Amino acid sequence: QVQLVQSGAEVKKPGSSVRVSCKASGGTFNTHTISWVRQAPGQGLEWMARIIPILGIANYAQKFQGRVTITADKSTSTAYMELGSLRSGDTAVYFCASLTQSGFIDSWGQGTLVTVSS
Amino acid sequence: EIVMTQSPATLSVSPGERATLSCRASQSVSSNLAWYQQKPGQAPRLLIYGASTRATGIPARFSGSGSGTEFTLTISSLQSEDFAVYYCQQYNTWPPITFGQGTRLEIK
Repeated sequence: QVQLVQSGAEVKKPGSSVRVSCKASGGTFNTHTISWVRQAPGQGLEWMARIIPILGIANYAQKFQGRVTITADKSTSTAYMELGSLRSGDTAVYFCASLTQSGFIDSWGQGTLVTVSS
Repeated sequence: EIVMTQSPATLSVSPGERATLSCRASQSVSSNLAWYQQKPGQAPRLLIYGASTRATGIPARFSGSGSGTEFTLTISSLQSEDFAVYYCQQYNTWPPITFGQGTRLEIK
C-alpha cells in the first residue's frame, strides 16, 4: 500500500494560486491513480480531480475545470495540484489519495490546509 | 453524476449498542460502494469496499450490506473509538467519484 506525504499548510491571498505536492512511497507510483479531494471547514468530502501518472492523463470535476491543474512527476513519485484564482471559499484541507483500479481510495495523504485570506 | 445521500445526518447511540447508517444512490451503483471513517483532524480511513468487504485491519464489528441504490453500514457494538463521521462513496461510474455528505455518529 502506498504512503502519501503532502506539503505543508499555505496561506494565500484572493486571486493568487497555490500548489500542493504529494509524495508517494512504499508502492508503485505509476500503477496508481492519484486523486485530490478537498474538505472545507466542517463540511464533507469533495472530489476534485485525478491523474494516472503512467499515462499522464488527468480528469477534473466540472466545478474545477479551468481552475485546477494536476500533474505527476514519475521520476520523484510526486503528484501536484495547482489551484488558481483563489477565493475565500477555497479555504479547505486538500487531500491527495491513492485510488485502486476499481475506484475506491485505499490510502490518503495527511492533508494540507490552504487558507485564503486578504 | 451520481448523487449519494446519507441518513441520518447525526446519529446518537450509546456505547455497546448497535449503529445503523444508510446511504442511497441516485441510480444503481451495483456493489461499487465504499465506506470511510473520519475522526477530527485526520484523513478518512477505508472501512468497507465492494459494499461488504472489510478493508485490512478493520474489526469484525463493522459490516456493510446492500447493492444497487440502498446500502447500510452497521457497527454491531459501539466502542469509544467508533464515534466519528462516516462517508459513503460510489465508484461504479467515475470520474467523478462521489461521496455522501456524511453521518456524524455521536455518543448518546
